[in-house]
Amino acid sequence: GAVVSQHPSRVICKSGTSVKIECRSLDFQATTMFWYRQFPKKSLMLMATSNEGSKATYEQGVEKDKFLINHASLTLSTLTVTSAHPEDSSFYICSAREGGGPSDTQYFGPGTRLTVL
Amino acid sequence: GENVEQHPSTLSVQEGDSAVIKCTYSDSASNYFPWYKQELGKGPQLIIDIRSNVGEKKDQRIAVTLNKTAKHFSLHITETQPEDSAVYFCAAPLGGGKLIFGQGTELSVKP
Repeated sequence: GAVVSQHPSRVICKSGTSVKIECRSLDFQATTMFWYRQFPKKSLMLMATSNEGSKATYEQGVEKDKFLINHASLTLSTLTVTSAHPEDSSFYICSAREGGGPSDTQYFGPGTRLTVL
Repeated sequence: GENVEQHPSTLSVQEGDSAVIKCTYSDSASNYFPWYKQELGKGPQLIIDIRSNVGEKKDQRIAVTLNKTAKHFSLHITETQPEDSAVYFCAAPLGGGKLIFGQGTELSVKP
């Protein structure tokens, strides 16, 4: 089956620093990747959609300069949380979709737990 | 706006019983409906999905039914086991392929 990995699985950083999270599709090429944020006992909140080789599309209320997304290849997307603050602490999850259509299956990574001190 | 409503938010069943989770969606153009299972501290895992050209799909103890006219779809788990305990999310795509998730159902299967 399709596998999506994320690295790191867990990161603790100091306030003001930047953190990069990687998302990789291991056995398929992902035309589109998505980044979600999830608070405890809550649903997944879409942050942005990234297509390989083009700029990411951010959801309303998500600061693009705060959450930098790069989708440099068909198997890798990165999310960089810049100048992190404690309120950025959350569970970040990526997903990858092989096809370009809305009915193509999305596969999720295992998530990254970010804690900002 | 476009959304997906999921019920119930929590569900507790005895091992061996069936569990049913229901979702309604607002976008009549939606044609793909996945269900994900999320265990604590992990990412969502696709367990079953259905496309709008069929009304039901089954995979062992899991089945999904779709009523396009009423715009609702349901997840059915039969012969539940303790390892089925998790949070389940339904989803439907909006224009542009963005998956919109339901609020989640925390299923607890008691031995």
